[in-house]
Amino acid sequence: GAGVSQTPSNKVTEKGKYVELRCDPISGHTALYWYRQSLGQGPEFLIYFQGTGAADDSGLPNDRFFAVRPEGSVSTLKIQRTERGDSAVYLCASSTGLRSPLHFGNGTRLTVT
Amino acid sequence: SQKIEQNSEALNIQEGKTATLTCNYTNYSPAYLQWYRQDPGRGPVFLLLIRENEKEKRKERLKVTFDTTLKQSLFHITASQPADSATYLCALGSNDMRFGAGTRLTVKP
Repeated sequence: GAGVSQTPSNKVTEKGKYVELRCDPISGHTALYWYRQSLGQGPEFLIYFQGTGAADDSGLPNDRFFAVRPEGSVSTLKIQRTERGDSAVYLCASSTGLRSPLHFGNGTRLTVT
Repeated sequence: SQKIEQNSEALNIQEGKTATLTCNYTNYSPAYLQWYRQDPGRGPVFLLLIRENEKEKRKERLKVTFDTTLKQSLFHITASQPADSATYLCALGSNDMRFGAGTRLTVKP
């Protein structure tokens, strides 16, 4: 079956613009995670969904970042007024539930110029 | 604050030897710990999960230990091969999952 799909794979945007990053999880996976990874660093937790609701959004760095999962499947990470410091690889992962292994997509590389 | 530390940024070993990677944590009481492999340009791939009430887990050439008193996990790859070269990440969780910075392993032929 298909794995976790993230689109686009690369996104270049200008400082101050709005971007949306999409994640299609594995079908049937109820849990969905967003992480951000900078070069040479481990994935940094952003937000975790269980079903449609955000169970833990404590990793979102500020109110420019927002994520939704309206039907409990596809999720969109939204970044307003992008800054150069937002440049990173944004990873999405899904799992069958709490305490289960995560299945990652290959990420969206965001570059803010 | 919560911290997850992996012993070194990089580890170089000779083919056939055992690679041992360390993950230490502070201010955490994880219910479980996981190890992942990450290749350049790819997302992490799950390898092993060990729960807080388990001391050791094995899978083929991989072995993980989990010492909740020392707050440490050791990850071993026996009979290492050049194909094992990658970055290895430990992750701790209770209700969410937090990752260490990773150790880049290079196995030389």
